[in-house]
Amino acid sequence: EPEVTQTPSHQVTQMGQEVILRCVPISNHLYFYWYRQILGQKVEFLVSFYNNEISEKSEIFDDQFSVERPDGSNFTLKIRSTKLEDSAMYFCASRVTEFNNEKLFFGSGTQLSVL
Amino acid sequence: AQSVAQPEDQVNVAEGNPLTVKCTYSVSGNPYLFWYVQYPNRGLQFLLKYITGDNLVKGSYGFEAEFNKSQTSFHLKKPSALVSDSALYFCAVRGLNSGGYQKVTFGTGTKLQVIP
Repeated sequence: EPEVTQTPSHQVTQMGQEVILRCVPISNHLYFYWYRQILGQKVEFLVSFYNNEISEKSEIFDDQFSVERPDGSNFTLKIRSTKLEDSAMYFCASRVTEFNNEKLFFGSGTQLSVL
Repeated sequence: AQSVAQPEDQVNVAEGNPLTVKCTYSVSGNPYLFWYVQYPNRGLQFLLKYITGDNLVKGSYGFEAEFNKSQTSFHLKKPSALVSDSALYFCAVRGLNSGGYQKVTFGTGTKLQVIP
C-alpha cells in the first residue's frame, strides 16, 4: 500500500529556534493535512491544504506556523520560533479527491522535542 | 461546528470477550465517520468508515462499527477481543467547513486494554 513519508522521525530543538517538518504525501493525493498529538493523547487538527493554499486552519495554527508545498512532492510545516508547548508528535496526512475514497493516509509522525 | 466525543478514556476487556468503544458525533449534513487505531510509537491506521448504506460497517482485524443516526453514535465493536487489539482508538467525523472544504475532526481517543 502507498505510504506517506515523514522526516525526520525525531527532531530536537532549542526554544526560539525554527524547525521544518517534512512530509511526502502519496503521489496522486491532492488534499494535505497536519495534525499533532501531545503525549499520545488527543489528535489535534492544525491545517488543511489544497490547490496550493490553506483551506482551513485551527486556532493552534497561529502566525508562528506556516505550510508550503515547494516542489510538487514535499509538504512542509514550519514553526518559526518554537515554544516548549510545541513539543508533540506531528502527523502529516493526505487523501485523494474522489468522493468515495475518503480514507486519510497518515505518516508515522515526527516527534518534536523543544528544550 | 462539528465535534466527536469519546466518553471513555480507557476500556478494559478480558481476552475473548466482546468489546465496545463508544463514539458520538455532531456534524451538519450527512456524516462521514471513521475509526483509526494507533499502536505505540506509530501513526494512525485506518480501520473502517461509514459513508452510506448499511448501518453495520465491517473493517480491518475483525472490527465493525454500528452507525445509529437517531443517537448520533458510531460505536466500534469486536465480538472477541485479542491481546494484540490493545491500542489507542480514535473516532473521526468528516464534514464541510464554511468554505466548502472537507475537514476531519478526531475524538480524544480511547485506550483499549485487553487483559489476557
